[in-house]
Amino acid sequence: DGGITQSPKYLFRKEGQNVTLSCEQNLNHDAMYWYRQDPGQGLRLIYYSQIVNDFQKGDIAEGYSVSREKKESFPLTVTSAQKNPTAFYLCASSMGGGGNQETQYFGPGTRLLVL
Amino acid sequence: QKEVEQNSGPLSVPEGAIASLNCTYSDRGSQSFFWYRQYSGKSPELIMSIYSNGDKEDGRFTAQLNKASQYVSLLIRDSQPSDSATYLCAVNNDMRFGAGTRLTVKP
Repeated sequence: DGGITQSPKYLFRKEGQNVTLSCEQNLNHDAMYWYRQDPGQGLRLIYYSQIVNDFQKGDIAEGYSVSREKKESFPLTVTSAQKNPTAFYLCASSMGGGGNQETQYFGPGTRLLVL
Repeated sequence: QKEVEQNSGPLSVPEGAIASLNCTYSDRGSQSFFWYRQYSGKSPELIMSIYSNGDKEDGRFTAQLNKASQYVSLLIRDSQPSDSATYLCAVNNDMRFGAGTRLTVKP
C-alpha cells in the first residue's frame, strides 16, 4: 500500500521543548515538503528537499529544522525558538523533475498543540 | 514576493448549480497549476492539474488557464453537497498556495 504517513496525529508541546514530527513515504519520490496551515489559512512552505542530504528553506523556516538522511524520510523538528507552533503540519512528496511530476501527494497531517 | 490570490469566500451554491472558483498569480513565469480539495480537518487531495492555456475537463470538473491574464479557475458542474470543502489553488514547482476558497453546496 503506497502512500505517505505522518505521526503522531496529535502532538502536545510544553514550553521550551523541541518536538519532532515524522514523515515517511514509500512512493519512491525524490522530493519532500513540509507545510504549516493555520486555521482558515492556506499552506505555507517551511522546508523542502529535492534529494537526499539536501534541503532548502521555505517562506517560514525560522524555528524549524529538518534532515533528509534517507529518501523515504523527512522529519521536521519544531524547536523552542518557534514561539507560535500551534498549527496543522502537512508533509507532502512528489516525483520531482518538473511538469506533471510536480504533483504533490499529502500525508494525513499532524496537529501540534502547545500546553 | 510571489503571490497566489483566491477569494476566501465562503461561496454558497445550490445543489445542481455550477460553482466557479478563481485564482490569480503574480509570477508570470509560472508553468504548472494545481487545484486541491481539502475537507475540514483533512489533508489536501489533488483534483486537477493544468499546464497549457485553455480548458481541461475531468468529469464534473473543468480547469481553465489564461497565462496572459495570470488567471486560473475551476468550474464544478452539477455541484453536490459532497463538494462542500475548501479549494486550494497552487502554482509552480515551489508550490505556492492560495489561502483557499470555502465552498458550500446547499441541498
